[in-house]
Amino acid sequence: DAKTTQPNSMESNEEEPVHLPCNHSTISGTDYIHWYRQLPSQGPEYVIHGLTSNVNNRMASLAIAEDRKSSTLILHRATLRDAAVYYCITQGAQKLVFGQGTRLTINP
Amino acid sequence: EPEVTQTPSHQVTQMGQEVILRCVPISNHLYFYWYRQILGQKVEFLVSFYNNEISEKSEIFDDQFSVERPDGSNFTLKIRSTKLEDSAMYFCASSEAWEAKQYFGPGTRLTVT
Repeated sequence: DAKTTQPNSMESNEEEPVHLPCNHSTISGTDYIHWYRQLPSQGPEYVIHGLTSNVNNRMASLAIAEDRKSSTLILHRATLRDAAVYYCITQGAQKLVFGQGTRLTINP
Repeated sequence: EPEVTQTPSHQVTQMGQEVILRCVPISNHLYFYWYRQILGQKVEFLVSFYNNEISEKSEIFDDQFSVERPDGSNFTLKIRSTKLEDSAMYFCASSEAWEAKQYFGPGTRLTVT
């Protein structure tokens, strides 16, 4: 089963930053931290992943705690199209083990 | 951006029938996966496939399920004798390496009546 803990839901306003937290206290040294999201009626979509250092891409930033037991996905300026379920996944094997994720609502 | 495609988008079948769900992974990817999502539930891993053989499978992936890469471009999931509880969205995914990002297809909605 999923080894991460995320809030069930979060709400934010359009054009504001969003910080989505994830706890993964049992992560092992070689596990990557992945974030995917699932928009309504679509397949999961990769957002970002990292191992130890913070990561940035065009979609988001990933801040990883020094002890790697938690991480935060940062959407710098949320849009309505960012409304989705966000999944934090620690991967130590080929498969991705999805939890329930955080349902992010964006208010106009 | 490259994409994974899946056909059909929706398949309706009767209990006990065989179904084949088709996927075209991204062309230079070597790792292939099937996941499913029962309505309202979380995404569940079914199987991973590399070098023409199954790398890992879940408890869900029993003898009724099989996967195949019949040619250089397609990747299929076969359910031999469908049950009502097989009704779900089935997602195919592919990646360049096992730890790399997985690209998911749009899914096939399977309805077993």
